[in-house]
Amino acid sequence: GQNIDQPTEMTATEGAIVQINCTYQTSGFNGLFWYQQHAGEAPTFLSYNVLDGLEEKGRFSSFLSRSKGYSYLLLKELQMKDSASYLCAVRDRGNDYKLSFGAGTTVTVRA
Amino acid sequence: EAEVAQSPRYKITEKSQAVAFWCDPISGHATLYWYRQILGQGPELLVQFQDESVVDDSQLPKDRFSAERLKGVDSTLKIQPAELGDSAMYLCASSSRTGANTGELFFGEGSRLTVL
Repeated sequence: GQNIDQPTEMTATEGAIVQINCTYQTSGFNGLFWYQQHAGEAPTFLSYNVLDGLEEKGRFSSFLSRSKGYSYLLLKELQMKDSASYLCAVRDRGNDYKLSFGAGTTVTVRA
Repeated sequence: EAEVAQSPRYKITEKSQAVAFWCDPISGHATLYWYRQILGQGPELLVQFQDESVVDDSQLPKDRFSAERLKGVDSTLKIQPAELGDSAMYLCASSSRTGANTGELFFGEGSRLTVL
């Protein structure tokens, strides 16, 4: 299985940058996902990393270091609509596409 | 745009009653998942299907929960009897393994259960 740790809450100002860290332990890493979840809604896919390095997609970027068991999600030019929970999820090679989620980081964007 | 359909969206029931949730995945998605998400926590996998076969149900409380996907398309998740601790959001998701896609999960809107 996986142990996935991420901060519980973060607060930032509109227009600023926020970095959400995620550390994990897994017996057979096969990819890391970031999902965004607004209150009362289902998670939506943001990014995917399977190789080391940075993946950039508009205002959002995600980084992975497999040797360190570490990832971060970078949110730039924050907007009020970015206030949500951000879930780090790890896929295990040993179990066909099983995706395990962290508890999520609640990001609050203030004006 | 194809979506994962779930019903009901909201369900209020009394403890010891039976409750059922239904999910219709995106057409062509062979893998279907049921997750439970308690408020303030991340989703927890209950059961995973590959076509009509169960791949993982290690976290499913089998004394009260059951899940089926008889024809490898839509799925039902049943709880009988419901307990107070079952109050949560029940999320269905599906994924496809074809081509070069990432295998990302597509979630339905969820079924929020309140047990009184």
